[in-house]
Amino acid sequence: GENVEQHPSTLSVQEGDSAVIKCTYSDSASNYFPWYKQELGKGPQLIIDIRSNVGEKKDQRIAVTLNKTAKHFSLHITETQPEDSAVYFCAAGKRISSGSARQLTFGSGTQLTVLP
Amino acid sequence: DSGVTQTPKHLITATGQRVTLRCSPRSGDLSVYWYQQSLDQGLQFLIQYYNGEERAKGNILERFSAQQFPDLHSELNLSSLELGDSALYFCASSQGPLSYEQYFGPGTRLTVT
Repeated sequence: GENVEQHPSTLSVQEGDSAVIKCTYSDSASNYFPWYKQELGKGPQLIIDIRSNVGEKKDQRIAVTLNKTAKHFSLHITETQPEDSAVYFCAAGKRISSGSARQLTFGSGTQLTVLP
Repeated sequence: DSGVTQTPKHLITATGQRVTLRCSPRSGDLSVYWYQQSLDQGLQFLIQYYNGEERAKGNILERFSAQQFPDLHSELNLSSLELGDSALYFCASSQGPLSYEQYFGPGTRLTVT
């Protein structure tokens, strides 16, 4: 099955600095890579995603890059703010073997702390 | 707010008991997913339903079962509960079984004592 590794597990940055979180996946059949932000006491919130036919996608201060050959993708947050502090999860999605559904496999999460 | 609702928010029960968690998907979404989030296991996919039918199964224990009703809400039943079942249980929904985007509810925190 798919295996998604995420690094680092914790990350502290100063407000205004950039943060980068990296993930690798094992299954070349994966073709969808979302990132979720989970604040304390809440469910994961989809913040950005990328499909395998795209190398980079940007949404304001957030960007995601994908290297299909190397099977890794990254989340970049620029000009970090204290409200960016949360746990971030990457995931890899693919169609299951029966073709009847699409399944996500999640990384283990990164606790990002933005210091004021 | 994702539009996915889950009840109850918290549940405390004893070992050996049975509980039911409930989820209502976003308006217009036909597919529902259940995930378990524990400290040492991360977010683990349990099961997916689409329009009342099971579509995919993950690491779901035999003691656990789920169903999706005609009004599209879903229930996750956990029986013969063990201490290790204590976790956050999330429901997510998407438009269809092959949709890319999944939207998560706020979760149910289950504590087994």
